[in-house]
Amino acid sequence: EVQLVESGGGLVQPGGSLRLSCAASGFTFSSYAMSWVRQAPGKGLEWVSAISGSGGSTYYADSVKGRFTISRDNSKNTLYLQMNSLRAEDTAVYYCAKGRITMVRGVIPSLDYWGQGTLVTVSS
Amino acid sequence: QSALTQPASVSGSPGQSITISCTGTSSDVGGYNYVSWYQQHPGKAPKLMIYDVSKRPSGVSNRFSGSKSGNTASLTISGLQAEDEADYYCSSYTSSSTYVFGTGTKVTVL
Repeated sequence: EVQLVESGGGLVQPGGSLRLSCAASGFTFSSYAMSWVRQAPGKGLEWVSAISGSGGSTYYADSVKGRFTISRDNSKNTLYLQMNSLRAEDTAVYYCAKGRITMVRGVIPSLDYWGQGTLVTVSS
Repeated sequence: QSALTQPASVSGSPGQSITISCTGTSSDVGGYNYVSWYQQHPGKAPKLMIYDVSKRPSGVSNRFSGSKSGNTASLTISGLQAEDEADYYCSSYTSSSTYVFGTGTKVTVL
């Protein structure tokens, strides 16, 4: 059974940093692209970032480029999102999601399994 | 990276069919057959319902179907049931090597 469990959310001041983790199990982690998706309170889904199975290719939404870094440790079956220079508008539930397939020619695949999310609140 | 455009709400009676549209551009929906649809119940994580425009993941009811014409994709739910009441989001791969979601549609079963 595929399981994705996010952790690391919490309250942080504007300008601060936070690192989210996503522990994966139930599938061959290194074989699949992974993504982070966020959802502000009462709002829609926003794709944040994606990474290939090997970790060699990464992609970001313009809203987080230069501030967030996605990475993965395939030996630990864990996905990360390092978030720096946080802003109030980054407040959201952050979901970790598994790509349905590996990343082929850089195409970010649809997301077939999602974690339950971790809440990040940016406020003074 | 503008969000794809969906109607804010769609409603129907049990047993009826409804269709949700998703309008993008030639740089996303119109340019690739990589449109997906997600269902989200309140307080829950999204669930993949359709991928690659019209394919259903294992376990998803065949009452859900997807299609695309030009820059607009559509999700049709036939034989509407109470448990279909949820938010639905389309998504697409884009020419900027990013992924974009739609604005979301709240489906109400009358």
